[in-house]
Amino acid sequence: AQTVTQSQPEMSVQEAETVTLSCTYDTSESDYYLFWYKQPPSRQMILVIRQEAYKQQNATENRFSVNFQKAAKSFSLKISDSQLGDAAMYFCAYRSSDTGNQFYFGTGTSLTVIP
Amino acid sequence: DTEVTQTPKHLVMGMTNKKSLKCEQHMGHRAMYWYKQKAKKPPELMFVYSYEKLSINESVPSRFSPECPNSSLLNLHLHALQPEDSALYLCASSQAAGAPYEQYFGPGTRLTVT
Repeated sequence: AQTVTQSQPEMSVQEAETVTLSCTYDTSESDYYLFWYKQPPSRQMILVIRQEAYKQQNATENRFSVNFQKAAKSFSLKISDSQLGDAAMYFCAYRSSDTGNQFYFGTGTSLTVIP
Repeated sequence: DTEVTQTPKHLVMGMTNKKSLKCEQHMGHRAMYWYKQKAKKPPELMFVYSYEKLSINESVPSRFSPECPNSSLLNLHLHALQPEDSALYLCASSQAAGAPYEQYFGPGTRLTVT
């Protein structure tokens, strides 16, 4: 099974500043998909951003962008201009293109935004 | 419509009760999932249905019994649960093949076993 590692259990950022959350993964596959999910306290898990491994260009969604380093098996999430609503648990996830329907999650990073 | 719905939102049950959790999606997804999640932890995979057939069972105790009556519905039948089964139960769905590749999650059922 693939493993996904998030080495930062907790992070904090000042409002309007930038923060980067780390994620590394272990795989022998060449084609796969990576995701960052956000789960605010007592609220629904939602997709923040996705990256297809075959794409060299880093994905961007408004204030959220990733730094995808395929050779290093690294997939970090950068949040720019942090807002109070960004406070949440962030989970990195991996999906194989072959075994298809199983997703592997990291242990999560709890992000606090300081006003 | 990118919504996965789950009922009930909250459930309190005794260890001898039988109850069911329900999940529904109308996105045409043919893969559906049950996860168990404890506070501040990642979701733990329990079951995966692919094209209405059980494709993954992560060695879940038999007191949890999944059912997929059709491509839009997923149930989780609960019987003789233990207090340690108290958790948030999440349903999710995704395309079984092809894009988009991400999962969509429901809001969850908060289960308390007394």
